[in-house]
Formats: sequence, structure tokens, C-alpha cells
Amino acid sequence: ETGVTQSPTHLIKTRGQQVTLRCSSQSGHNTVSWYQQALGQGPQFIFQYYREEENGRGNFPPRFSGLQFPNYSSELNVNALELDDSALYLCASSLDWDSGTDTQYFGPGTRLTVL
Amino acid sequence: SQQGEEDPQALSIQEGENATMNCSYKTSINNLQWYRQNSGRGLVHLILIRSNEREKHSGRLRVTLDTSKKSSSLLITASRAADTASYFCATGIRGAQKLVFGQGTRLTINP
Repeated sequence: ETGVTQSPTHLIKTRGQQVTLRCSSQSGHNTVSWYQQALGQGPQFIFQYYREEENGRGNFPPRFSGLQFPNYSSELNVNALELDDSALYLCASSLDWDSGTDTQYFGPGTRLTVL
Repeated sequence: SQQGEEDPQALSIQEGENATMNCSYKTSINNLQWYRQNSGRGLVHLILIRSNEREKHSGRLRVTLDTSKKSSSLLITASRAADTASYFCATGIRGAQKLVFGQGTRLTINP
């Protein structure tokens, strides 16, 4: 157990809808990263939040957005869902993103299906 | 984009045998990490090796890193059925926020 929790576990949406995924980071960690993992692929970096500010973004469109709260928990929002958004969404927390030796601790993921 | 490439993509061995997985990457790194994933669930961190290290051990795991060849290997000794999972290498670059993952090796341990 990493101490990182995500909700919900599974979610089914239809194309065009909006979705919010949630993540609680491990105690003491101020950095949260989000990844998208399509079936049979490795995780792809979406973005990272550090002390409530976006701290880096991967190659994802603006309809993927996020928030980090003062307690360092985080949300991932996806608007105008597309079929290709179907994937496992992983949240990872870390202590210090720029330490150069940082380990990211992953939650169990949210499986999103878009119909 | 995927930086790491794992080899082989799939590996099936008998329980008790050793399993070796390889990872190659393209750019200079600060560290390389190995993760395990069971049945499409969350990733479990196994081991982190820094760019100035050549070998690291953790229990039945042995990781090597060759920065001149931009490659790493993960050895699991005396495999068990519970080791059945997908294994991913991920590279970390100082100042870059993301981990860059390969596509993984699917390991099956047959009883």
C-alpha cells in the first residue's frame, strides 16, 4: 500500500460528457502527477501539480485540466470526452519533484470507459 | 512519447527460474526506476537506480544500469507465481517533472 488513494475505481461515461477523477496523495507529499495508461501501453504523463500550481504538462489537449488543493489532494477533469479517452488514469505522489532522485508512489487507478 | 523500450515484450518461465528484462532509453537521465503492475491496476515501485550507480539489489531483485549504452536490466531470481505481472522501466530527468515509461514486459511465471 502506497497511501495514495483514487476515486472512483471505475467510471463509465458517454462521448461529450465531462468527468472528474480524484486523488489523495501520500501523507507529507506535496507533488501530484497524473498519467494516462491506454490498454497494453505504458503510462503517459498528463501533468503535475506542485503546491497547488501546475508544474509541467505532457502532450494532452486543454480539455484535460486539474487542480491541487491545500491538503495536496488533486483532481483531474476531462471535458468533451472522446472514445480515445478510455484508459486507466493513474495518480502518483512524490515528496520533492526536483530532487533528482524522486520516487513516485502510485494509486490504484481509475478505469474510465467512454461509450 | 515512450523513451524506454523494454525487451522482451513478453516472457514466460517456470517457477524457480530467473527472469531478466531489459530496458533501453534515448536521452541522458538522472535516474531509472522499475515498477510492477498487476492486472492493469496501480504501479508498485520496485527499485530506483541513479545515473552514477551501476548495480543495485533489493531482495530477489537486481538492477544494472549502463549509461554508456543507455540501457538497464532487471533480474528477478528464484521466480514465484506471485511475480506474474507487467514490469515497466521509467526514466527520470532532473528538472523534468515527468517519468517517461516504456511499454512494459509481461512476465508469466508458470507453476
